Formats: sequence, C-alpha cells, structure tokens
Amino acid sequence: LAKTTQPISMDSYEGQEVNITCSHNNIATNDYITWYQQFPSQGPRFIIQGYKTKVTNEVASLFIPADRKSSTLSLPRVSLSDTAVYYCLVGFTGGGNKLTFGTGTQLKVEL
Amino acid sequence: NAGVTQTPKFQVLKTGQSMTLQCAQDMNHNSMYWYRQDPGMGLRLIYYSASEGTTDKGEVPNGYNVSRLNKREFSLRLESAAPSQTSVYFCASSEGWTLADTQYFGPGTRLTVL
Repeated sequence: LAKTTQPISMDSYEGQEVNITCSHNNIATNDYITWYQQFPSQGPRFIIQGYKTKVTNEVASLFIPADRKSSTLSLPRVSLSDTAVYYCLVGFTGGGNKLTFGTGTQLKVEL
Repeated sequence: NAGVTQTPKFQVLKTGQSMTLQCAQDMNHNSMYWYRQDPGMGLRLIYYSASEGTTDKGEVPNGYNVSRLNKREFSLRLESAAPSQTSVYFCASSEGWTLADTQYFGPGTRLTVL
C-alpha cells in the first residue's frame, strides 16, 4: 500500500493559485492518484484523478511527474469557498479495502 | 436523484445500547462502503461491499456488523455501543470497487455514545 504525505495545512488569499503536493514514494505500477475535497460536516467529494502527466477538469489540475513519486493538485484562482480539507489517495486498482484517506491538507483561503 | 442518503443525521446512545445506521443509494452502484471519521482525522474504512451479497472488513471493523440488504441498501449495526465509537459515520458508493472508481458520499451520521 502506497503511503502518502501531504502538508497538514496551507493558507492562501482569494484569487491566488494554490498548489498542494502529495508524496507517494512507493507508488505501484497500477496505482491511480485521486484527490477528494471535504467541507466541514459533509462527506468528501471527488475532485480529480490521474495516472500520469497532467489531467485538467473544470475544477482543478493534477500534475504527475514521470517517476510518479509525487503529484500536485493545482487550484486556480481560489475563493473563500475553496476552504476545505483536501485528501490525496493512492491505491490499488483492485482492492477497495485498501483505501486510506489520511489526515489531508487543511486549506484556508482568506480575503 | 438523491445520490447517497443516510439516516439518522444525529444519534445519542448510552453505552451498551444497539442501533443500526441506514444507507441507501439510487445510482445503481455495485459497491458500498462505511467509514468513520474522528475529530481532526481522516476517514477510516469500517466495512465495504463490492457487490450485492458480499461484504468484507476494512481497517477498523471491530464492534460493527454490516448487511447488504440489496443493491441499494447497506446498513451498519452497533450491537453494544461504546464511547470509543463516538464519531461521524459516512456511507459511500461507487460503480466499481477499486480506487479508480469515484466514491460518492452521503451527508454523514453524527453519533455520540455516552
């Protein structure tokens, strides 16, 4: 099981780009990298998923270098509503019981 | 399309009491999950069901039982509640049973055991 390491917290201001990096040194060949967002008193919500290189959707971008030992979630022009906990998950393609959310990164966006 | 629903939203139990948390999804998903989240912590998997009729243990199954009643419903039972089970419980579902499958979460049940 690939262990992930993320910063515990980050602070930003509205309108800035925020990059949250996740380290996963022992990622396996078949592992995907998935990011979830959680607001207080709510369940996590899927943001983005990738396997290699770059993935972009309407919410965020995910950058994965060639060695796949880390990944960076990029949130463009954050707003107050982006204040949340962000989780990086790395795991097997064939093992639902291996999901580990960790403590995530608390992002605080201020005016 | 309600997604994943959970009942109740809040519950207070006394030590030793039993209760069942209900979860239902209307997305025709095959897999369903139960997590717990303690204050300031990430989610930990209690049990999951990869398909109708099957269940399996996750990271923290002790003190819990589950039933996959049908494809839509997945319940979590506490037979004899303990203060250590005070937590927020989230149910989730996904089309498949791998990490590559997006999980959709319910709103959670906040349980306090006195």
